[in-house]
Amino acid sequence: ELKVEQNPLFLSMQEGKNYTIYCNYSTTSDRLYWYRQDPGKSLESLFVLLSNGAVKQEGRLMASLDTKARLSTLHITAAVHDLSATYFCAVDGVRGGSNYKLTFGKGTLLTVNP
Amino acid sequence: NAGVTQTPKFQVLKTGQSMTLQCAQDMNHEYMSWYRQDPGMGLRLIHYSVGAGITDQGEVPNGYNVSRSTTEDFPLRLLSAAPSQTSVYFCASSLLPSSYNSPLHFGNGTRLTVT
Repeated sequence: ELKVEQNPLFLSMQEGKNYTIYCNYSTTSDRLYWYRQDPGKSLESLFVLLSNGAVKQEGRLMASLDTKARLSTLHITAAVHDLSATYFCAVDGVRGGSNYKLTFGKGTLLTVNP
Repeated sequence: NAGVTQTPKFQVLKTGQSMTLQCAQDMNHEYMSWYRQDPGMGLRLIHYSVGAGITDQGEVPNGYNVSRSTTEDFPLRLLSAAPSQTSVYFCASSLLPSSYNSPLHFGNGTRLTVT
């Protein structure tokens, strides 16, 4: 059974600071997704990482994937209040393809304080 | 472009009642899925479909039924509602994930309470 663990689960940070959210998973996979959810809203896609060493950046967020370590990171640079949300990673549990079953982490609730 | 449309947005049921959560997408996506979201649990896959006429179980399928008669629609049926099914339900669709750089597109969710 694929397990996906995010940490931390809660993150309170000051504007302007940097921080990293970690996503560990338990089986070999080379397909990982990051999503954002605002309170009471739906989920929106942030990044799709499809191979070892993949790095994607959008604004103050950068995601990377290390398939050998079974680890993805979401790095936040110079946080601003608008980044406050819950961030989920999700893993497709098959290497080189898909089993059509995404397993989600429990999410990281990020609060950026002035 | 409507994307993924879920109805209703809110629903209250009594234990034992049945109902259908509707989901429709207008993006011609082959893949559709249903997730439930509970506090502290992330999202858990209930059922999914890779095309019309094809459905399969996810992680938590008990008490739910699905069908996929068209590419656009993927309804979720609660057969006999239980308080443990109180949750927020999300429908999501995408191109087939094995072939494409294909994130899920989520609907706005249905908040279900079973009393």
